[in-house]
Amino acid sequence: QVQLQQSGPGLVKPSQTLSLTCAISGDSVSSNSVTWNWIRQSPSRGLEWLGRTYYRSKWYTEYAVSVKSRITINPDASKNQFSLQLNSVTPEDTAVYYCARRISDTTSFDYWGQGTLVTVSS
Amino acid sequence: DIVMTQSPDSLAVSLGERATINCKSSQSVLYSSNNHDYVAWYQQKPGQPPKLLIYWASTRESGVPDRFSGSGSGTDFTLTISSLQAEDVAVYYCQQYYSSPFTFGPGTKVDIK
Repeated sequence: QVQLQQSGPGLVKPSQTLSLTCAISGDSVSSNSVTWNWIRQSPSRGLEWLGRTYYRSKWYTEYAVSVKSRITINPDASKNQFSLQLNSVTPEDTAVYYCARRISDTTSFDYWGQGTLVTVSS
Repeated sequence: DIVMTQSPDSLAVSLGERATINCKSSQSVLYSSNNHDYVAWYQQKPGQPPKLLIYWASTRESGVPDRFSGSGSGTDFTLTISSLQAEDVAVYYCQQYYSSPFTFGPGTKVDIK
């Protein structure tokens, strides 16, 4: 059974960096048949896909244009996890952040982390 | 980006009655190479992440009750709950995974009448 366990702070000051980690059990971050994603949800923006990382003989990342200049998603094979960094946050980045798995070419997001409410406030 | 719209915004249905939710994509999400529509449906209850119900527009995820069904192709899709149960009260989202960025509809809230 796949489980995704998120960790990271729930409060970030404006202009600073939001950092979250998603620890994977029951699968491998290096699997060549899945992608590992970050998605956020807020009342104003709804569910918004932020980006993904995946391994296909080498590592790939892809980001949503809306956050492309500020986001980094990094896999860590040694710890079987992946992380999200979002720089220069503003109150608009306040949201519940989720990590999620997708099996390529079949289903969509089939396993999700528990969600982390991140509030951007001084 | 592919825009996903849903209707209605909310609906209230009596227990045991049918609930129907519509979803429309701004362009076709049908892959001609495998004849699959890359649309998924999710159920979200308060304080929980979305739960995948349906993928490829009409394939039920393992463990999902068969009162949930998906239909449609191209740009128009429907999620049907054939006999609403109390535990089905939730917000339902459609989502396209045909191309990135993967986009979600705004959601439809389902309640008991």
